Amino acid sequence: GQQLNQSPQSMFIQEGEDVSMNCTSSSIFNTWLWYKQDPGEGPVLLIALYKAGELTSNGRLTAQFGITRKDSFLNISASIPSDVGIYFCAGQDYGGATNKLIFGTGTLLAVQP
Amino acid sequence: GAVVSQHPSRVICKSGTSVKIECRSLDFQATTMFWYRQFPKQSLMLMATSNEGSKATYEQGVEKDKFLINHASLTLSTLTVTSAHPEDSSFYICSAYSLVLSEQYFGPGTRLTVT
Repeated sequence: GQQLNQSPQSMFIQEGEDVSMNCTSSSIFNTWLWYKQDPGEGPVLLIALYKAGELTSNGRLTAQFGITRKDSFLNISASIPSDVGIYFCAGQDYGGATNKLIFGTGTLLAVQP
Repeated sequence: GAVVSQHPSRVICKSGTSVKIECRSLDFQATTMFWYRQFPKQSLMLMATSNEGSKATYEQGVEKDKFLINHASLTLSTLTVTSAHPEDSSFYICSAYSLVLSEQYFGPGTRLTVT
């Protein structure tokens, strides 16, 4: 099935550092979403982006919807140990009535206290 | 609010048997539910879209006769893995779409191990 390309694949950082990850697609999406998944659990929504160029923050998280509708990035500032997990971007099918999501390949984040 | 549950959370079955996984939206109605499969260290792959009262729409490469989906009510969808084989061992996650909140909510997942 279709997947979005996410980079980096993994990151190992020190507590307090800032983190940046991005997601690209060959297809246009009308909504971009960022999720966090802890081991053995379902993904939890972090940020939703609905307009091209939109920049949205949620606490220490900031995400932007690329102007071409084909990419998005997520920044985490001042990382803490509980930020550990896998982060997924997801694009919502452009123009689709099904609200189907296509997930990115994921970024594994490890934070050293 | 907007909680989705899955049952069971873990199941081990023998090769050749069938397993049913339930997905429930606890405090909202979901006309659409989605079923995903996630292999270790991989992303979520959409298997099928389940609409209440109608047949599920399967993604390319997903066998509809092997993965039976029933969405009999606005709060319950079931996925039955028929004649399970070891390669069906995976983490199965459902999500439910809330029209009111315009958002998909994910369940906690079901770990299936076929021996």
